[in-house]
Amino acid sequence: LAKTTQPISMDSYEGQEVNITCSHNNIATNDYITWYQQFPSQGPRFIIQGYKTKVTNEVASLFIPADRKSSTLSLPRVSLSDTAVYYCLVGDSLTGANNLFFGTGTRLTVIP
Amino acid sequence: DTAVSQTPKYLVTQMGNDKSIKCEQNLGHDTMYWYKQDSKKFLKIMFSYNNKELIINETVPNRFSPKSPDKAHLNLHINSLELGDSAVYFCASSLSGGADETQYFGPGTRLLVL
Repeated sequence: LAKTTQPISMDSYEGQEVNITCSHNNIATNDYITWYQQFPSQGPRFIIQGYKTKVTNEVASLFIPADRKSSTLSLPRVSLSDTAVYYCLVGDSLTGANNLFFGTGTRLTVIP
Repeated sequence: DTAVSQTPKYLVTQMGNDKSIKCEQNLGHDTMYWYKQDSKKFLKIMFSYNNKELIINETVPNRFSPKSPDKAHLNLHINSLELGDSAVYFCASSLSGGADETQYFGPGTRLLVL
C-alpha cells in the first residue's frame, strides 16, 4: 500500500477555507483516497473518499489531480469545531485494511 | 444507536495485571479491528478479524489477543500489562475488510498502566 505524507500541523482563522494536501507518490491504479477526521477524545470518522478529479459532500471537497500522486482536502469556511486531526489514506478493495497506514495526520487548529 | 461501542471508557490498572476491553458493532459488518493510539498520537492497527481470518500486526506482543464470540463482537485481552501499554485503544469495523472501505470507529478506551 502506498504511504502518504501530510503536514504535521496547520493553523487557520475562523471563516477561512483550509486546504490540506497529502502526497501519495506510489499510489496504485486501483487505490482510492480516503480522509478521516479525529476530534480530541474521539475515534476517527470518515469524511470523504475519491478516486479522481473532484468529490464534494456536505462536509468537504476532495481534489485529485490527473496523476493522482497527491490530493487536497478542502474545508470551506472553517469554524472552531473543525479543530481536529485529519488523516489521509490510500488503499484498494483487494488489499486488506490491516495494511492501512494512518500515521500522525495533520493537526488543524482553528483560531477565533 | 451507537454503531461501534467499547467498554470500559477508562481503565486504570497496575503493571502485571490482566485486563479485557469489549467491543460491539451493530452495523452487520464482517470485519473488526483493534487500533492503538499512543501518546504521540500515532494510530496503528493491531489486529483485523473476520469470520475467516485473523491478521496480526507483527509488532504486537503476544500478550495481546483478540477474542470474537460472534461476528458483532471483538474483545481485546491483554495479559501481564506493562507501562508501555498505556494508550488509547480503538475498536473499528468495516463491511468486509477492504482497504477502500469506510471504517467505523468506537469512542476509544483510555488505558493507564501504573
